[in-house]
Amino acid sequence: DTAVSQTPKYLVTQMGNDKSIKCEQNLGHDTMYWYKQDSKKFLKIMFSYNNKELIINETVPNRFSPKSPDKAHLNLHINSLELGDSAVYFCASSYSGDAWEQFFGPGTRLTVL
Amino acid sequence: AQSVTQLGSHVSVSEGALVLLRCNYSSSVPPYLFWYVQYPNQGLQLLLKYTTGATLVKGINGFEAEFKKSETSFHLTKPSAHMSDAAEYFCAVSVQGAQKLVFGQGTRLTINP
Repeated sequence: DTAVSQTPKYLVTQMGNDKSIKCEQNLGHDTMYWYKQDSKKFLKIMFSYNNKELIINETVPNRFSPKSPDKAHLNLHINSLELGDSAVYFCASSYSGDAWEQFFGPGTRLTVL
Repeated sequence: AQSVTQLGSHVSVSEGALVLLRCNYSSSVPPYLFWYVQYPNQGLQLLLKYTTGATLVKGINGFEAEFKKSETSFHLTKPSAHMSDAAEYFCAVSVQGAQKLVFGQGTRLTINP
């Protein structure tokens, strides 16, 4: 009965590869987010979707492409992975009218070699 | 635009001692302020929030924070630290209608036995 789940938990890959991270929430929220947490623990929003529509795109390289097939899922696809993409990626969800009370997934640690 | 500065990337206290984690914000409109906690290898969890009304807000696990507009601060306190409080703490700011959170750089809290 996990509220926000992400798969995989760990992802190790070579530079240049393409990979995806999946996120699902069972809280009935209508808004989902992707965050990147770097090695210094700094947390920055990447994308936000409300009812499958993109509402925030924080100048993320277009190698990153989020996809929301329905309001319970938000996946992140990354093309041509670079060393600098190594980070922990968090998915979160909330109600749009209460966007600050966000529920976070456990994170996906991506390591690019 | 809003921003948050957390003073001290690492705070260490003894078990039973007062916990004080400092947060200052910048916002040209009335802010909404939050503290999130991240336990090791987990996602973030909301500790407490201030939107409007009473400036002293209480959260989970015995934490509280006070919004001081004159000092642009929202410091987090707990009267008596417990070993289980060891975690990374993030202050965040938003404003009405912003649909996103802006996080500070985090403060790692260590509890000494």
